[in-house]
Amino acid sequence: QQQVKQSPQSLIVQKGGISIINCAYENTAFDYFPWYQQFPGKGPALLIAIRPDVSEKKEGRFTISFNKSAKQFSLHIMDSQPGDSATYFCAASRSSYKLIFGSGTRLLVRP
Amino acid sequence: KAGVTQTPRYLIKTRGQQVTLSCSPISGHRSVSWYQQTPGQGLQFLFEYFSETQRNKGNFPGRFSGRQFSNSRSEMNVSTLELGDSALYLCASSLAQGVNTGELFFGEGSRLTVL
Repeated sequence: QQQVKQSPQSLIVQKGGISIINCAYENTAFDYFPWYQQFPGKGPALLIAIRPDVSEKKEGRFTISFNKSAKQFSLHIMDSQPGDSATYFCAASRSSYKLIFGSGTRLLVRP
Repeated sequence: KAGVTQTPRYLIKTRGQQVTLSCSPISGHRSVSWYQQTPGQGLQFLFEYFSETQRNKGNFPGRFSGRQFSNSRSEMNVSTLELGDSALYLCASSLAQGVNTGELFFGEGSRLTVL
């Protein structure tokens, strides 16, 4: 019940395309769903986050879609750029800093 | 504003030894969390400290321990090292407004290799 399942494991997208990463969870007590971006040699950095009282949140080219009934949430990267090439992690938590992370998606955006 | 600082960045130990890793959070941040990152297990929560008290603990053996000092700096210790402890150990800090989840700011990690 504590798992967060993330897919796909890797993703290749052409520049200007849309990158979509999906996550699913089981624990309905989770109340915070962030996405982190990690570049090689760096620690993860918060990209965008959502709480279950909204179905979508957009920040620039990044959008989280949240489906509470399906217990799924996804990250959409519009107009993907080579600089977006990184590993992306979804996560979930229950009112704490104990984040349960997905397994990560390695995104490569080709020029 | 300086970010989260972790030392050392790289270290090599042998099985059976112990190691201490240090983390200096962002100024003003009172919560410090530790995560282990490995290719096989991904990012796993170790523990979280707030005002020198461990507030949350992950599913790691007792060989993994930590503490937080009055200036919010934190250390984690791993005793009797095993090969499987080789990992990137990440520290993250947060303002910790009450118990509400907020943004975690990660350091660049300490990469531990156990031979």
